[in-house]
Amino acid sequence: AQSVSQHNHHVILSEAASLELGCNYSYGGTVNLFWYVQYPGQHLQLLLKYFSGDPLVKGIKGFEAEFIKSKFSFNLRKPSVQWSDTAEYFCALSNTDKLIFGTGTRLQVFP
Amino acid sequence: DGGITQSPKYLFRKEGQNVTLSCEQNLNHDAMYWYRQDPGQGLRLIYYSQIVNDFQKGDIAEGYSVSREKKESFPLTVTSAQKNPTAFYLCASRGYTGGGQPQHFGDGTRLSIL
Repeated sequence: AQSVSQHNHHVILSEAASLELGCNYSYGGTVNLFWYVQYPGQHLQLLLKYFSGDPLVKGIKGFEAEFIKSKFSFNLRKPSVQWSDTAEYFCALSNTDKLIFGTGTRLQVFP
Repeated sequence: DGGITQSPKYLFRKEGQNVTLSCEQNLNHDAMYWYRQDPGQGLRLIYYSQIVNDFQKGDIAEGYSVSREKKESFPLTVTSAQKNPTAFYLCASRGYTGGGQPQHFGDGTRLSIL
C-alpha cells in the first residue's frame, strides 16, 4: 500500500536554527514527491516537488529537499529558519490520479 | 487571477441536516479533489473527479456525496450519515492526472456542529 510518514509531529526552533523535517514513503513505482506548506489562516501552497533527475530539489523561500531512493526518504531542509516559517508542513506522494499526504509537521519558530 | 474558490468560509450544521460546500475553479483543470483535515491526521481524501460526470470515492467517502456536472464546479454534500463532520474541508484541482502535476488548493471551509 502507498503511504507517507512524517515522524516529527511538532518542531520548535529558534530563529537562525537549521531545520530538517523527515518524510518517508512506501510505494513500489515511480515516485513523484511534494512538500506543501500551510501558513496560519492560509491555503496550502507548494514548496517544492521532485519528479526525476537531480535528487536535490530547491524550492521557494530557501527550502530544499533531498530524494534518497535507498532510504525511501524525501526530507525537507532549510539552513536558517525565520519566524515567518512558522506553519504546518505536509509531505505528499503522487500516483497517477491522487495525492497521498503525511500527517503533517507543525513548525514553530521563536524570535 | 485564476484560482479555487471555496464557500462559505465557515458553516454550521444542525443534527440531521445535510449541508453543501461549494468549490469552483477557473483554472480549466480537469481533476478536482475534496479533502478533510483534522488535527494530527493530515489530509484525507474524500472524493475526487478526473473528468466531468465522473467521480471516485477516496479513503473516507462514507457520509459524503459529490457531483461533477460542470468542469469548474465540484460541490461536496455532508449528509446526516456523517457522524463526525466537524473538520476543515479543502478542495483542490489539478491540470491533468499525470503523477507529476501538483494540486492547487482553495482556502477551505470550516464546518461545525451546532
